[in-house]
Amino acid sequence: DAKTTQPNSMESNEEEPVHLPCNHSTISGTDYIHWYRQLPSQGPEYVIHGLTSNVNNRMASLAIAEDRKSSTLILHRATLRDAAVYYCILRDVSGNTGKLIFGQGTTLQVKP
Amino acid sequence: EAEVAQSPRYKITEKSQAVAFWCDPISGHATLYWYRQILGQGPELLVQFQDESVVDDSQLPKDRFSAERLKGVDSTLKIQPAELGDSAMYLCASSLGSGYANTEAFFGQGTRLTVV
Repeated sequence: DAKTTQPNSMESNEEEPVHLPCNHSTISGTDYIHWYRQLPSQGPEYVIHGLTSNVNNRMASLAIAEDRKSSTLILHRATLRDAAVYYCILRDVSGNTGKLIFGQGTTLQVKP
Repeated sequence: EAEVAQSPRYKITEKSQAVAFWCDPISGHATLYWYRQILGQGPELLVQFQDESVVDDSQLPKDRFSAERLKGVDSTLKIQPAELGDSAMYLCASSLGSGYANTEAFFGQGTRLTVV
């Protein structure tokens, strides 16, 4: 399974943009890049995913490098409710398992 | 909104006792996952089902853990006997199908197990 590398923690100020980086230098052509987040005492929740092109949804944007070896999750205006652990995961469609393998993630602190 | 249901939410058991967790995935979701999350760590995949078949249980401690999904719908994860190191959050998730890497997985609220 291809691995991802994320910083252990990041801080942001409320209402400012946050850029959460993820490196995945061994990504294969069949790997989708998924982001999940986990609020305290809750199960993980889906944020966004993409393959090659940048993606936007109501929660966030995903910027994918041209060589796909890195990606960045962008929260446009951080709120206190965005304080969570953010996981960058590669989900492989080949081999037909599609399993989600979590790393340690990035703990985001949002300061008022 | 459809959600993954898990029960119980909290469970305290004595070591060497048996314990079971139940998960009801979102209707129509063929893939079901069980994860274990130790405090401060990311979730660890224990077992993955495609319908009623196990497609990955490489990280499941098979001497004491078992999982089943008899009719390809709901699932049960069992630990017997429980050990102190099994204290963790047990999470269930489901998604449309294992070939659908282009879809999201939905997680339940989890079962917090404490072994005393």
